[in-house]
Amino acid sequence: QQPVQSPQAVILREGEDAVINCSSSKALYSVHWYRQKHGEAPVFLMILLKGGEQKGHDKISASFNEKKQQSSLYLTASQLSYSGTYFCGTEIHDSGYSTLTFGKGTMLLVSP
Amino acid sequence: NAGVTQTPKFQVLKTGQSMTLQCAQDMNHNSMYWYRQDPGMGLRLIYYSASEGTTDKGEVPNGYNVSRLNKREFSLRLESAAPSQTSVYFCASRIGQATREKLFFGSGTQLSVL
Repeated sequence: QQPVQSPQAVILREGEDAVINCSSSKALYSVHWYRQKHGEAPVFLMILLKGGEQKGHDKISASFNEKKQQSSLYLTASQLSYSGTYFCGTEIHDSGYSTLTFGKGTMLLVSP
Repeated sequence: NAGVTQTPKFQVLKTGQSMTLQCAQDMNHNSMYWYRQDPGMGLRLIYYSASEGTTDKGEVPNGYNVSRLNKREFSLRLESAAPSQTSVYFCASRIGQATREKLFFGSGTQLSVL
């Protein structure tokens, strides 16, 4: 089942913070985050595994709450380059084969 | 390295025509995927190949067929195109079955069916 992302869209001024949420109705083993700029392919940001892991890259970080089956992506002091659509992808199997199911995306626009 | 290469980048078809979208990766990945992306729908999995010699249906397989030609190549075929198949198609690959593996995407094929 497709994870639910919120909000659908965010408009920020440069330097502001944003949080994008991803929730699933099923128990998750991992959550992936990707960013897609207009007309381009999605690009990997980070993977979080069950265990409450929190990861970060530059000023973008994420958390994973396996009990709530939720993940959040935190964008701090946003830059113009952060603009794009953010997708979470969830996996529900921890053995055998699993596939990524993506949410519908959150469009982020950062203005000067 | 080129990564994941998709051809063609753009295609216009008439209803009922057939075509094959090509995908090749040069990263020695075992698993390959075909997704379609429609406005407001995110990325939906059409078919995937966990390893060479295997293929499985994803979320939206109707109207499509796939072939894992070898470890590098994974093609998607539309036998009789319909307007509902107008979409952007992405091929992706990753090393293998482990869930910590990230996906690498191709640049996409924009398909219009008239």
